[in-house]
Amino acid sequence: RKEVEQDPGPFNVPEGATVAFNCTYSNSASQSFFWYRQDCRKEPKLLMSVYSSGNEDGRFTAQLNRASQYISLLIRDSKLSDSATYLCVVNPGGAQKLVFGQGTRLTINP
Amino acid sequence: DGGITQSPKYLFRKEGQNVTLSCEQNLNHDAMYWYRQDPGQGLRLIYYSQIVNDFQKGDIAEGYSVSREKKESFPLTVTSAQKNPTAFYLCASSSGVWTEAFFGQGTRLTVV
Repeated sequence: RKEVEQDPGPFNVPEGATVAFNCTYSNSASQSFFWYRQDCRKEPKLLMSVYSSGNEDGRFTAQLNRASQYISLLIRDSKLSDSATYLCVVNPGGAQKLVFGQGTRLTINP
Repeated sequence: DGGITQSPKYLFRKEGQNVTLSCEQNLNHDAMYWYRQDPGQGLRLIYYSQIVNDFQKGDIAEGYSVSREKKESFPLTVTSAQKNPTAFYLCASSSGVWTEAFFGQGTRLTVV
């Protein structure tokens, strides 16, 4: 089993729709979780950290479910500019090593 | 402005030559990382360093070497032993354990 798994997509949704991604992780001791956004041929950029209580930043909401070992990202009222690949990132603990999922590709259609 | 600088942005080399990719950060971060990304693939960890003069192999270290002589710098050498060196190389840093990492703009290496 991979340490971090994501549905690679692609997800094609109309502008204004709500879309959600899940990401599962294998190490139950993992302590920190993040969502990154990566545009085509660019570097990943931090979208948001994921806290145990869940957190929201504008149209974006991240949730952590420790019991089932997954994190989720919800995007409301999607914009064309949200088209990107979304990377789930987990720190499994120990040696400051971040593990990246393969990414979920999202395309917002006009 | 604080950040991570990778150079060059594009690099072309002949097969059999070693090449060194530069990564410098002025964020005063302790940890630095090198990742490789192939088309349509996720990021794979090559090497990482938690402190100066110490570094650890990641998942795909074969054919690569690094050094960490200064806190700000973590250069990566792609040696001729690396079988498929053509890829997008990303350097990142983070302030410590449990914290998020920030990336440089990457270096696209093409070996012909």
